[in-house]
Amino acid sequence: AQSVTQPDIHITVSEGASLELRCNYSYGATPYLFWYVQSPGQGLQLLLKYFSGDTLVQGIKGFEAEFKRSQSSFNLRKPSVHWSDAAEYFCAVGTFSGSEKLVFGKGTKLTVNP
Amino acid sequence: EAQVTQNPRYLITVTGKKLTVTCSQNMNHEYMSWYRQDPGLGLRQIYYSMNVEVTDKGDVPEGYKVSRKEKRNFPLILESPSPNQTSLYFCASSEDVRTEAFFGQGTRLTVV
Repeated sequence: AQSVTQPDIHITVSEGASLELRCNYSYGATPYLFWYVQSPGQGLQLLLKYFSGDTLVQGIKGFEAEFKRSQSSFNLRKPSVHWSDAAEYFCAVGTFSGSEKLVFGKGTKLTVNP
Repeated sequence: EAQVTQNPRYLITVTGKKLTVTCSQNMNHEYMSWYRQDPGLGLRQIYYSMNVEVTDKGDVPEGYKVSRKEKRNFPLILESPSPNQTSLYFCASSEDVRTEAFFGQGTRLTVV
């Protein structure tokens, strides 16, 4: 069965610093990978997604992610964090073979210090 | 405006009293799903539906029912709620599992 691991439960960075959130997945076939962000009290919003092609994908709000098949990873990065980026971030893998399921990681909460 | 609408947003109920959380989308999406979000556990899929009259279990379906009689609606039914179903619930829709999922604002359910 597919699974997603986000090793970091909570990360704190200073405003203006770079950010990398880790995501590892387990799935036998080609994965459909997503990063979603959840601001406090809100639903989830898609940041970016990867299906195929260029392994470096650009998303909204200045985020990017790199797919590394050899490491089963899809890490999210941002060169300079803004205070408004404080939120919880979820990595997800979608399966499209037989059953269509979307499996989320447990999330990484980002705190941004001024 | 494209949206997924859940009702109610907040609900406190007692153990065993049947309840329904409604979900409606206006994007003509084929795929709809329900998730529960619990601290430290992230989002876990309860049920999903690939089309009208087609539903399937997610990872945590016990204690829940769903139906998909119309494309736009996907209600979540708790026949006999228990305290361990206290959680934050999200409905989502998308064209299919490969595309962007649009989430509702969530329903915070407390079962006492």
